[in-house]
Amino acid sequence: DVKVTQSSRYLVKRTGEKVFLECVQDMDHENMFWYRQDPGLGLRLIYFSYDVKMKEKGDIPEGYSVSREKKERFSLILESASTNQTSMYLCASSLLAGNTDTQYFGPGTRLTVL
Amino acid sequence: QKEVEQNSGPLSVPEGAIASLNCTYSDRGSQSFFWYRQYSGKSPELIMSIYSNGDKEDGRFTAQLNKASQYVSLLIRDSQPSDSATYLCAVNMGGGSYIPTFGRGTSLIVHP
Repeated sequence: DVKVTQSSRYLVKRTGEKVFLECVQDMDHENMFWYRQDPGLGLRLIYFSYDVKMKEKGDIPEGYSVSREKKERFSLILESASTNQTSMYLCASSLLAGNTDTQYFGPGTRLTVL
Repeated sequence: QKEVEQNSGPLSVPEGAIASLNCTYSDRGSQSFFWYRQYSGKSPELIMSIYSNGDKEDGRFTAQLNKASQYVSLLIRDSQPSDSATYLCAVNMGGGSYIPTFGRGTSLIVHP
């Protein structure tokens, strides 16, 4: 079974802090994604990566950056956390760059910024 | 803008009934369609994928695709209280995209 893990289930940070969210997948997937999910707004894509050291902006990249130094690990960075970044953050991975790809999601990190 | 639309619900059905969840999409060139189930506080998990017109059945679940009408649906037969969740429709739009566009989800409540 594909396993996608995220470093924390719950995280509380203060405004202005630098926040790191880590995601690891164990199935050698090429593609990795970061989403945030908010009530009424659904899943929104922040960034994605199709290869090591490669990254592409999604729909809402402002205030975020990412890092992919190893194939299995994709990190989301909030350079200076703000209260409007309080959300559920979901990492996902998929195997190949084809349109039949299935995304596999991690358990999510619920981030609260005070 | 490429969009995937779902009725937010909640859709309430009695136990044992058929639940019908609907999804429309804007890009006529879309090729891949997915249904995810998300329990409250959990992450989405794939239930069904469908790529060609018609029906695809897997146990109590049937996905139906009509590309001419730009419409995909999920039927759940013999609904159980454990089916109560939010169901997300996801569509890989045209141009060979592997980045799905998600609908906002439909909340399903199955009451005993």
